[in-house]
Amino acid sequence: AQTVTQSQPEMSVQEAETVTLSCTYDTSESDYYLFWYKQPPSRQMILVIRQEAYKQQNATENRFSVNFQKAAKSFSLKISDSQLGDAAMYFCAYRSAGGPSNAGGTSYGKLTFGQGTILTVHP
Amino acid sequence: NAGVTQTPKFQVLKTGQSMTLQCAQDMNHNSMYWYRQDPGMGLRLIYYSASEGTTDKGEVPNGYNVSRLNKREFSLRLESAAPSQTSVYFCASSKTRTGVWNEQFFGPGTRLTVL
Repeated sequence: AQTVTQSQPEMSVQEAETVTLSCTYDTSESDYYLFWYKQPPSRQMILVIRQEAYKQQNATENRFSVNFQKAAKSFSLKISDSQLGDAAMYFCAYRSAGGPSNAGGTSYGKLTFGQGTILTVHP
Repeated sequence: NAGVTQTPKFQVLKTGQSMTLQCAQDMNHNSMYWYRQDPGMGLRLIYYSASEGTTDKGEVPNGYNVSRLNKREFSLRLESAAPSQTSVYFCASSKTRTGVWNEQFFGPGTRLTVL
């Protein structure tokens, strides 16, 4: 079974500065997807960025980028030019790329989440 | 498009009571999921439905039952609520396409308290 670990329960950053959130995972699979989700106080889960394991290039989405180290099984999120609206709980998540399997298959699109990191942004 | 909707948004139950959490999606997705979120534990999969007519257990299925009523709707039932089931419950849905990352879309969540 896959596991995802976020070792930083809380992080803080000054507005306009850069912060990095850590995530490690454990899997025996070679092909998978990794995600970062943002959960603001509204509770809504918002996809921030994704990474396909077969791609060496790190994903970027505007101010958000990842550092994907496949051999080390590490997937960190960097937020540049932090804004007050970035304050939220952030979850790292893993999904097998095995695609649809027979009913009862363990990899059927399900996400495995880390424990979450609460990010505070100071003005 | 309403996306994924959940009812109710909040609920308080007494131990032993039963209730059903409703979830519906209007994106024509094949797969639907129920997660629970607890402090310090992230989201954990309770049950999922790969397609209409099929359901399977996730990581923490004990104390729950599900019904995939049709392609749109996937309900979660607590037959005899326990304080350990106090949590925030999320429904999610996604398309199912081999070799594609299939984004999961989440509902707004239901905060359930069992006294």
